Amino acid sequence: QKEVEQNSGPLSVPEGAIASLNCTYSDRGSQSFFWYRQYSGKSPELIMSIYSNGDKEDGRFTAQLNKASQYVSLLIRDSQPSDSATYLCAVIGTGRRALTFGSGTRLQVQP
Amino acid sequence: NAGVTQTPKFRILKIGQSMTLQCTQDMNHNYMYWYRQDPGMGLKLIYYSVGAGITDKGEVPNGYNVSRSTTEDFPLRLELAAPSQTSVYFCASSYGDLYRGNNEQFFGPGTRLTVL
Repeated sequence: QKEVEQNSGPLSVPEGAIASLNCTYSDRGSQSFFWYRQYSGKSPELIMSIYSNGDKEDGRFTAQLNKASQYVSLLIRDSQPSDSATYLCAVIGTGRRALTFGSGTRLQVQP
Repeated sequence: NAGVTQTPKFRILKIGQSMTLQCTQDMNHNYMYWYRQDPGMGLKLIYYSVGAGITDKGEVPNGYNVSRSTTEDFPLRLELAAPSQTSVYFCASSYGDLYRGNNEQFFGPGTRLTVL
């Protein structure tokens, strides 16, 4: 079982729609969760971090964390073509001091 | 601030050659990391450092070495390059522990390495 799992996609949504990206993790003791966006050929950039159960909103982005079910999701409202990228879920596991990444979900926003 | 800088941007090595990937940050960050990203995959941690003189292994350290003699620099050494080390290498830094809120990990632009 992978430590952090994501559907590789591509997830295709029309412009203006809500994109929903999901991630599950295996280490029940994980405390910190991150979503990164990575454009092709570029380095990852942080979109959201979440540490507590529930929702966290930042502009068009909402991160949702459910520790009991061991999943974290990212919602992108009013999706734009510029949101087309690979979205990486990352977790800090028990006793770890660095991120463990999922393999990413490729999002395509169709104009 | 330049942030995290990496050199070179691209490199082709022959099997058995050695090289050092350079990483420098000017944000006075204590923590530095090396990741590799294979095509279509997420990032895997190679080594990390929590301060000058302190380094520790990540998930995939075999074939690599690191040193941290200054706060700013964290070079990654490849000895006896192998085709399996063909990847994109990202250096990153953060001020402190990532599990403490408000600490963000900043990535460099990456080094694309091909071993033939």
